Amino acid sequence: DADVTQTPRNRITKTGKRIMLECSQTKGHDRMYWYRQDPGLGLRLIYYSFDVKDINKGEISDGYSVSRQAQAKFSLSLESAIPNQTALYFCATSDPAAETQYFGPGTRLLVL
Amino acid sequence: GQSLEQPSEVTAVEGAIVQINCTYQTSGFYGLSWYQQHDGGAPTFLSYNALDGLEETGRFSSFLSRSDSYGYLLLQELQMKDSASYFCAVRNSGYALNFGKGTSLLVTP
Repeated sequence: DADVTQTPRNRITKTGKRIMLECSQTKGHDRMYWYRQDPGLGLRLIYYSFDVKDINKGEISDGYSVSRQAQAKFSLSLESAIPNQTALYFCATSDPAAETQYFGPGTRLLVL
Repeated sequence: GQSLEQPSEVTAVEGAIVQINCTYQTSGFYGLSWYQQHDGGAPTFLSYNALDGLEETGRFSSFLSRSDSYGYLLLQELQMKDSASYFCAVRNSGYALNFGKGTSLLVTP
């Protein structure tokens, strides 16, 4: 089984709708991250969390919110989706003792 | 703020050696990482350099010069499966990563 899972894997929604992307991990890591990827722009950090009570904004947090429901779960919400939020979204985890980030398979989101 | 520069595309022949450079500007620096991403897939960790010098892992090596704010990823004995995007990333004091825009490597027969 995959260590970092994301649901849904693909989603089509309409402008103005609220949508939630979910991430779960079985690696036992405290640190979790949400990135978005656009063609030619690399990965940009949206939010990150170092434990259940710690939430931090990343480079591009406007229009997004997150919830860390448990050590293993970190959800990303788009309160009112807009077309320029169409992107590939990745969740990642890391261990404070190591430098490696482990990425989930990604969620492809299309906002019409 | 932070910025990272890397070439957008590199082409090399199977069996050859290729070097992907990365220069960075950052207000706080704790290390340079490299990630590989195949088309449509998840990024996967390749290497990390916190100190100056060369780190070798099989066919892949990574180099860092902190004084020059520069690093590179060296891929030897290129294989077709090495065709992918390669991202350098800088870790700041908060353990979050800032990624470059990526280098698309095409390995040709």
